[in-house]
Amino acid sequence: NAGVTQTPKFRILKIGQSMTLQCTQDMNHNYMYWYRQDPGMGLKLIYYSVGAGITDKGEVPNGYNVSRSTTEDFPLRLELAAPSQTSVYFCASSPTGPQLAQHFGDGTRLSIL
Amino acid sequence: QKEVEQNSGPLSVPEGAIASLNCTYSDRGSQSFFWYRQYSGKSPELIMSIYSNGDKEDGRFTAQLNKASQYVSLLIRDSQPSDSATYLCAALNYGGSQGNLIFGKGTKLSVKP
Repeated sequence: NAGVTQTPKFRILKIGQSMTLQCTQDMNHNYMYWYRQDPGMGLKLIYYSVGAGITDKGEVPNGYNVSRSTTEDFPLRLELAAPSQTSVYFCASSPTGPQLAQHFGDGTRLSIL
Repeated sequence: QKEVEQNSGPLSVPEGAIASLNCTYSDRGSQSFFWYRQYSGKSPELIMSIYSNGDKEDGRFTAQLNKASQYVSLLIRDSQPSDSATYLCAALNYGGSQGNLIFGKGTKLSVKP
């Protein structure tokens, strides 16, 4: 039972490069989320989705884009990487809304140099 | 700005003692609260949720909620070294079209053998 799978686990980018962080879940959850966690800080919501084809901004969406073409996949795209985007990125899912337990992936550690 | 405040710690307790973790929140409209545990370098996992004033017990864990004081706490009885982790408090906020979790920065707990 894989749960929420994130790839890659680690990545170093140069300023101005772009990349996509992949997230897939096999629990048939409708809700999916992207968070970032800076050192010594809590999680900040970047984007979320309530189902295929439906996405919305969270607390810190600037510099990111998402899409949700299937229930399983929720990729996060960085178009022009900036040092301020150095962080650990977590993808999560829940069956319905955030009032239920969110299942987190193992995270992607991203450094922008 | 909706906020959840936690003492970052570290909070150090001896094995077998009671660990008390505290959290305050700014949004009086928040109705649901969560405690997530995060081991170093790992993803968060939900350990307790609480929705009503009073206490909620689950094994060695007790969550306490006081909505009048906007205060949430987590008690860990008979603390074990395996409880050493960062504990994130989160409040469910309905500021956007869907509810989203607002996380505190977390309290680092260290249980000494």
